[in-house]
Amino acid sequence: NAGVTQTPKFQVLKTGQSMTLQCAQDMNHNSMYWYRQDPGMGLRLIYYSASEGTTDKGEVPNGYNVSRLNKREFSLRLESAAPSQTSVYFCASSEGDGRGQPQHFGDGTRLSIL
Amino acid sequence: DQQVKQNSPSLSVQEGRISILNCDYTNSMFDYFLWYKKYPAEGPTFLISISSIKDKNEDGRFTVFLNKSAKHLSLHIVPSQPGDSAVYFCAARDLYGNNRLAFGKGNQVVVIP
Repeated sequence: NAGVTQTPKFQVLKTGQSMTLQCAQDMNHNSMYWYRQDPGMGLRLIYYSASEGTTDKGEVPNGYNVSRLNKREFSLRLESAAPSQTSVYFCASSEGDGRGQPQHFGDGTRLSIL
Repeated sequence: DQQVKQNSPSLSVQEGRISILNCDYTNSMFDYFLWYKKYPAEGPTFLISISSIKDKNEDGRFTVFLNKSAKHLSLHIVPSQPGDSAVYFCAARDLYGNNRLAFGKGNQVVVIP
């Protein structure tokens, strides 16, 4: 019953450090997504991948890069972390080209940048 | 500019009564609407959805109503249970947006036993 698995669950970084957030899904979904959620805000899309080998920018892509390593895995990288990137990050996936199917979410990575 | 708006950030309701959550949207190209439920320290969980060609969808205690002319949808929970205490997000998909979702800010629901 794994669904969407995100690692790590918590992380504290110093300004300027880099790190990669990992996401893997075991539902054979084609589409994967990265969101961030800030206090009092809804989820905002950072990047998404409609299928293996493709990635596209979402609403707030600045400061991030992504890699769709294979069908199962979609990673999010912060090259030089900034305090404004303190947030909860959620990975999600959906079936096929995603049309008409809900997205399934992981439990999030809580990231603090000092 | 926020395309999906949820006003009244919090709602308290007695167990057994109806909870009504409202959502307004601005993008007329939205064709599919979803409600997600979120508990603390967990990811959002899909609850119920509705296509723009329908005006009502029901699943057990949960019913979603869509009024396209008003660009408004609502979620009804009847009867409300303590386990329904959570944050509820309204989300909408753009017909040409490759299944990207726009989310509202969420409504905190507290069901009082």
